[in-house]
This record gives sequence, structure tokens and C-alpha cells, in this order.
Amino acid sequence: QKEVEQDPGPLSVPEGAIVSLNCTYSNSAFQYFMWYRQYSRKGPELLMYTYSSGNKEDGRFTAQVDKSSKYISLFIRDSQPSDSATYLCAMPRGGNKLTFGTGTQLKVEL
Amino acid sequence: GAVVSQHPSRVICKSGTSVKIECRSLDFQATTMFWYRQFPKQSLMLMATSNEGSKATYEQGVEKDKFLINHASLTLSTLTVTSAHPEDSSFYICSASGLRTSQETQYFGPGTRLLVL
Repeated sequence: QKEVEQDPGPLSVPEGAIVSLNCTYSNSAFQYFMWYRQYSRKGPELLMYTYSSGNKEDGRFTAQVDKSSKYISLFIRDSQPSDSATYLCAMPRGGNKLTFGTGTQLKVEL
Repeated sequence: GAVVSQHPSRVICKSGTSVKIECRSLDFQATTMFWYRQFPKQSLMLMATSNEGSKATYEQGVEKDKFLINHASLTLSTLTVTSAHPEDSSFYICSASGLRTSQETQYFGPGTRLLVL
């Protein structure tokens, strides 16, 4: 079993839709959770990070963590074509290293 | 803040040559830099971790003599792919963390696309 599981997609939604991206993890030692966005042929860009259960909002983005279920989500409201990218969840492990999910490819269509 | 640059953005080389990729933290001091490789439609694979002034720590299965990493200053790390072969063609991405950033947070460069003919 991988430490971090993420549906690779692709996920295609119409503009304006609410998008839900999810990751599950198996290591209960993970305490911090991050979401990165990666456009095609670019490096990942940090979107959000959180370390507690519950919700954290930043504009159209909401990160949700459920440590009891080892499940994290990223919600995107009013999705735009510019949100089309691959979204990776990541969790720090020892030595400041990150364990990444495989990434979910999102396409927001006009 | 927390901007990381990479140079070159794209490189094409002949098999057997060596290629150097630079990673720079532009507005913060990076005590730790990481090098990743990413194949199409796959996630990032950590190759090595480098701390300023120390030898790099390589992940299992990564040849340290083939992928030479130097982290000589708090703002610069280099990855040299020695005697490159077509199977080394990939997207190489660096990231940095350190002073003024959360230790758990990495900021990524834009990546370098290497094509070995």
C-alpha cells in the first residue's frame, strides 16, 4: 500500500463547478498537509498547507483534513479554466522530505 | 517571497556528455535543497537532499556518481548529470526550504527539461 493515494484522474468539470480533490494516507505520523498545483511543464506551486483537522479557506480554495479517517480534500469553488492543472497533495516525512501523491489532473472546460 | 529559479529551462545534449543544472533561491537562504525527477504524467520522485556545505543524501536507487550534487552556498545548488544517456531524459525540478520559510514547506523551481539524444 502506498503511503499516499490520489486518484490520477483526469477530472473534467464545467466552468463554475465546485471541484473536490482528495487524498488518503496511511501513515498516522503525518501532521502537516499541503496542496501543490502544477501546470503543464512547470514546477509545482504551493497552494495551501495546514496542520490541523478541520477546514482552512483561502479565496476560492478550501483545504479539509480529517485525521481520524486519514483523508484530506481540496475544494475549488467557482472553478475557472485557469484552474486546469495537476493538483498534488504532499505530506512531510523525516528530514523535511515530502511524500507526494501521484497528482490529479483537472480540466475546467468553458 | 520564496522564489526559486532554475537554469537552463530546457537542454538538449548528445549521449555521453554531461549537463549541469543550477537551482537558485532568489529571496531567501535555502539551508536545504531537494532534487526531483518527474516522468510524463507521473508524480515527483525525490532523487537527493542537499544541505549547504554538506554532502548530498541520495535516495535508494539513485546513482550518486551519475547525479553529482553541489550545494556550495545558501542560495545555489547544482545537479550535474554525468555521461547522460537517453534514459536520463526527464523533467528535473529542484526545491528549497530554509530560513524565512516553514521548515516543512518546499518552494519549487520551474523545472529543467532534459533531452538526451
